[in-house]
Amino acid sequence: EAQVTQNPRYLITVTGKKLTVTCSQNMNHEYMSWYRQDPGLGLRQIYYSMNVEVTDKGDVPEGYKVSRKEKRNFPLILESPSPNQTSLYFCASSPRPGQGPYNEQFFGPGTRLTVL
Amino acid sequence: QKEVEQNSGPLSVPEGAIASLNCTYSDRGSQSFFWYRQYSGKSPELIMSIYSNGDKEDGRFTAQLNKASQYVSLLIRDSQPSDSATYLCAVNRPGSSASKIIFGSGTRLSIRP
Repeated sequence: EAQVTQNPRYLITVTGKKLTVTCSQNMNHEYMSWYRQDPGLGLRQIYYSMNVEVTDKGDVPEGYKVSRKEKRNFPLILESPSPNQTSLYFCASSPRPGQGPYNEQFFGPGTRLTVL
Repeated sequence: QKEVEQNSGPLSVPEGAIASLNCTYSDRGSQSFFWYRQYSGKSPELIMSIYSNGDKEDGRFTAQLNKASQYVSLLIRDSQPSDSATYLCAVNRPGSSASKIIFGSGTRLSIRP
């Protein structure tokens, strides 16, 4: 089954404790992206990757890191989480950067993070 | 001005009626337009995409695009209770090396029996 998976699905942590949220897709997609979703603010892009070893900042990258060592995996790293990073996080992938259908994104199930 | 604007709702529509969801965008260079449905606590699911002016129909869903007015809409015919969800409009932001997608904050739709 074609899918995007994320782990963990739920996480409660404390300020300053490093954490990683994993994302994996099995559709051989080139483009992967991380979003956070907050009430009233919609989905905001954190980082994206156009292919292996190619990553770039989205609209809200502060406090986050990513890496893309393999095509299928795109982990999100919070080196020193803070309470304002409490949010619902989604990983997404699409076939490749470009126009039209290549932009159609498929989302993972989401990770609800609480930072105390 | 937000890049992608939607009325947050809630929009309440009786079962069997037509639900009309609207979205405006600010960048005239945008070329790709998407509607996602999101149930509470779940991930967004792509239901329609449209790339040229006019209407595109898929089952009970019709997407309408008017680039001159920078307006995209989604019509849901014969609304069902299962259509109750938040609908996200998404538009590509042109001019970057990777075509980035910008989401509106969504319209909450409620279908009443």
